[in-house]
Amino acid sequence: EAQVTQNPRYLITVTGKKLTVTCSQNMNHEYMSWYRQDPGLGLRQIYYSMNVEVTDKGDVPEGYKVSRKEKRNFPLILESPSPNQTSLYFCASRIAGSSYNEQFFGPGTRLTVL
Amino acid sequence: GQQLNQSPQSMFIQEGEDVSMNCTSSSIFNTWLWYKQDPGEGPVLLIALYKAGELTSNGRLTAQFGITRKDSFLNISASIPSDVGIYFCAGQLNHYGGATNKLIFGTGTLLAVQP
Repeated sequence: EAQVTQNPRYLITVTGKKLTVTCSQNMNHEYMSWYRQDPGLGLRQIYYSMNVEVTDKGDVPEGYKVSRKEKRNFPLILESPSPNQTSLYFCASRIAGSSYNEQFFGPGTRLTVL
Repeated sequence: GQQLNQSPQSMFIQEGEDVSMNCTSSSIFNTWLWYKQDPGEGPVLLIALYKAGELTSNGRLTAQFGITRKDSFLNISASIPSDVGIYFCAGQLNHYGGATNKLIFGTGTLLAVQP
């Protein structure tokens, strides 16, 4: 089944403790993105990647890092999480050159930073 | 970053009622998309619009691309309990998502349907 998977689905952590949220897609998509969703703000793009070893900042990149060493994986790294990074995070992927209506979202990761 | 203004923020309706929501922007878009997010899930695309004035239906859902290209509307007819969720609009400058051609999301409309 074609899908985008994220792990973990839920995470509670403390300020300053490094964490990684994994994202994997099995559709051989070139483009992958990370979004955060906050009440009243919709989805905002954190980082995106156009292909292996090619990444760029989205609208709200501060406090986050990403890497794209393999085409299928696009982990989101929080080196020193803070409470304002408590949010619902979504990974998404699509084929290069496709329109956004062919973008697939993962199921989300709810992160709480105490 | 840029955001789209979506209204209403929330709606609480009775089963069988029709629903309308809209999205406005200060910028012109060439593509409008409408997504639905079920509780605990990621957004799923409902309707895509590519042309000013376009009216597109998907079952009980109908969406329109505003003539000014700065707004879009979504209507749901004869709502049912499974319509519950958050509805997002999203705008894109071009039809295809190039490297710098981002998708801008609306703030979302929470829909609750009373059986």
